[in-house]
Parts: sequence; C-alpha cells; structure tokens
Amino acid sequence: SAVISQKPSRDICQRGTSLTIQCQVDSQVTMMFWYRQQPGQSLTLIATANQGSEATYESGFVIDKFPISRPNLTFSTLTVSNMSPEDSSIYLCSVSENPYNEQFFGPGTRLTVL
Amino acid sequence: ILNVEQSPQSLHVQEGDSTNFTCSFPSSNFYALHWYRWETAKSPEALFVMTLNGDEKKKGRISATLNTKEGYSYLYIKGSQPEDSATYLCAFYNQGGKLIFGQGTELSVKP
Repeated sequence: SAVISQKPSRDICQRGTSLTIQCQVDSQVTMMFWYRQQPGQSLTLIATANQGSEATYESGFVIDKFPISRPNLTFSTLTVSNMSPEDSSIYLCSVSENPYNEQFFGPGTRLTVL
Repeated sequence: ILNVEQSPQSLHVQEGDSTNFTCSFPSSNFYALHWYRWETAKSPEALFVMTLNGDEKKKGRISATLNTKEGYSYLYIKGSQPEDSATYLCAFYNQGGKLIFGQGTELSVKP
C-alpha cells in the first residue's frame, strides 16, 4: 500500500482566485488520479496525471480550469483556477499500480469558495 | 452514460444490528467492482476488489457478494459497531479502465 499526503487539508478561498493542491506519495507509483466530490454527489474523476506529459482529462474537465503537473512518480499538483462557488468540493488524489487494482487515496482537500 | 446506483442513501442502526447495502451497475463490459469505506476526515480505504461473477469476499464482520450478470453487489456488515460508521462507496470498472463511483451509503451506528 502507499501512504499519500495532501496539502492543504482545507481552505476557504475568494471567487476568482486560484488554489494549488499538492499530492505526495511515499513511493513511486505508476498511476495517479485526481477526483472531486461536490456536495451530495459521487466521487468524479477529473483527470489522470501522467508523469512527464500532459494529464488526460475526463469529459467536462479542461486543462485551463484544472491544470495538473506531475514532475516525477511521487508528486503531483492540481490547480483549481478562477474559482467560483461551484468549485466548492473535496478534492482527492489517488494512486494505483494498474488501472484495475484498488486505489489508495489521500485524505482530501476540502475547498470552500465564497 | 454509465450509472452506478447505491441504496439506501443513508442508514441508521443500533449497535449489534446487521445491515446490508446494494450497489447496482451496468452488466455489460464489466471488469471489476470495488468497495471502499470512507470515514469522516480520513482517506477512502479499499475493502474489496471483486472480478468474478458469484464472488464472495469477507473481511472480519464485513462481506460482499457479486452478480455480474444482473449487475449488482451486496455489502453486509454483521453485528454493526460504532466504528463501522462511515460512507460506503462502490465503484465500477468497465473495460475502458475508468472507475465510476456511486454516491455512497452513509452508515451511522448508535451505541
């Protein structure tokens, strides 16, 4: 199993600003994902973070709004850009050794946008 | 569009009660079904990964069954304890390799 930390654990931000969330894993992992859970909704995959190349985004999510970096196999960032109250969510990163194995999740970042 | 449905949405039981939840998923292009437990302020934790029709898995007082032909999985908790209070998520993997989560069942166990 992998141990994953996220920073910040929570934040309250103003509309129009941006927030960068960091995800650190204690070992090298093949696959890293970013999810969002809006209030009352299910966990939704935002994108797969690819090491050394552009992230692969799911339908409804775009790079301009959610730029992702993954400079190595243990670290990734997700930026929520030009925030609006609709971006208030829990954001989680997760890792897996292959697409079909269990995923290990970070503790999440609870974001509130005013 | 793929939908994963979980029921009930929430459940309140007394300590010692046994309970079960349902996860419904598309029966076509099935690859795997995951169950996760998500306690407040903690990370979601994998309980089971199930791939075969008729699979039954057990971890302590928690067990799960899988029917891929009809597209459902049951999660059972025997003798619920307050520490079982959490949101239980199921997630469906199709052959496209994307994990799709249900909305979860929120379990509250009162002492």
